[in-house]
Order: sequence, then C-alpha cells, then structure tokens
Amino acid sequence: EAGVAQSPRYKIIEKRQSVAFWCNPISGHATLYWYQQILGQGPKLLIQFQNNGVVDDSQLPKDRFSAERLKGVDSTLKIQPAKLEDSAVYLCASSLAGSKLYEQYFGPGTRLTVT
Amino acid sequence: KQEVTQIPAALSVPEGENLVLNCSFTDSAIYNLQWFRQDPGKGLTSLLLIQSSQREQTSGRLNASLDKSSGRSTLYIAASQPGDSATYLCAVILPLILTGGGNKLTFGTGTQLKVEL
Repeated sequence: EAGVAQSPRYKIIEKRQSVAFWCNPISGHATLYWYQQILGQGPKLLIQFQNNGVVDDSQLPKDRFSAERLKGVDSTLKIQPAKLEDSAVYLCASSLAGSKLYEQYFGPGTRLTVT
Repeated sequence: KQEVTQIPAALSVPEGENLVLNCSFTDSAIYNLQWFRQDPGKGLTSLLLIQSSQREQTSGRLNASLDKSSGRSTLYIAASQPGDSATYLCAVILPLILTGGGNKLTFGTGTQLKVEL
C-alpha cells in the first residue's frame, strides 16, 4: 500500500514570495490533515478536511495561508505572502474515516526555508 | 486547552541501556495516546497507540504505559541500540465530535534521543 505522498520535499523562497505544497493521501482515506512543525517543536494542526469539506481550520493563519482539497483526494496548501516565521516542515497526514481508531498516517513532509 | 510536555528534551545514552521517556498532559479527557518516532528529514512513524481503556501497549523492545488520572505516559525502550536514535513524540488524541470527523492530535515537543556506541 502506498503511503502519503508530498511534494516538493524542500523549498527555499524569499520573504513575501508565494509557495504551494501538494499532498496525495493514502487511497480511500477520507480525512486529510496539514500540520506545521517548527524546528524544536511538535507538529501543530493547521487544517483538517473530511472529503473536500473543512472540519477544523482554527489554527490556520487565514490572512496568508489557504488550503483546498478538490474532489476529496489531493490537497494543496498555499502561503502568500511568506514570512520568515513560516520556515518549518509542513506535514500531511491522512486517516480512514469510519475506522475505530482513526489512526493518522504521515507523509515525509516539505521543508520550507524562508530567507 | 490541552498542553503536552515531554521530558527530557534531549537524552544521550550508551548502547544497551534501558531508558524511559516521559510525556505529561493537562487534560485527562483524552481518547487515546500515541507515540511516534521522527528521523531527521522524514515524517512521523507510529510506534504505539494506547486506547483510553488500556494501560499499556508493547511492541518488541518498546513498552508504553498510560495513566489518565495523573496525566502521564511513559515510553520504555529496552536494550537501546544506535538505530533507536531519533526524536520521539507523544500525542494525545481528542475525539472531534463532528459528523464523520476524525480525531485531533496534540503533540508534545519531543525528546531527542541519541544512543552511542
């Protein structure tokens, strides 16, 4: 079974530029999550989708971050414009809706450096 | 607001030593608790998931315990090996009470483990 795929793996941009990350969840997983992990900290949930609907985006900085999940499969996370403090690893995870444990499976992440 | 703390932040031990990593949380109304491993430049690998009705889970040299009343979990690693070197994260899981929703993970800051030859 293929895992969660993310691209790109690394991205370096200057502040005020825009960037987008892509995630392809495990086939059949209806729930998709985006996390931000700043160096030395644990991951923090940014947004959670159930199919193509948003379940929780309470910690998403909506003035600069946006995310979508068209057709309930792949998802993109965009930052526009980027700030220095956005430097982090962005992790995507998915889980199988309806499973008892809703265990989340994580992708390898995208490491963003904003200079 | 749930807060999750992990102690120590970093740990260096000689190969073969048994060790304990600690995780504490402020809100005992959790659903499950999960331990992850994170290698540099990689995503998170699930190690053990303890359901709220359980007290411990074991997998190979790993044993995780959960005491909801005291807000604590421990991860015990027996006979540590250099390959165990990684960052270990615990996450408390709260059920997201929405139609068809999944669970919400709140992570600790992690313990960076180095096992030396």
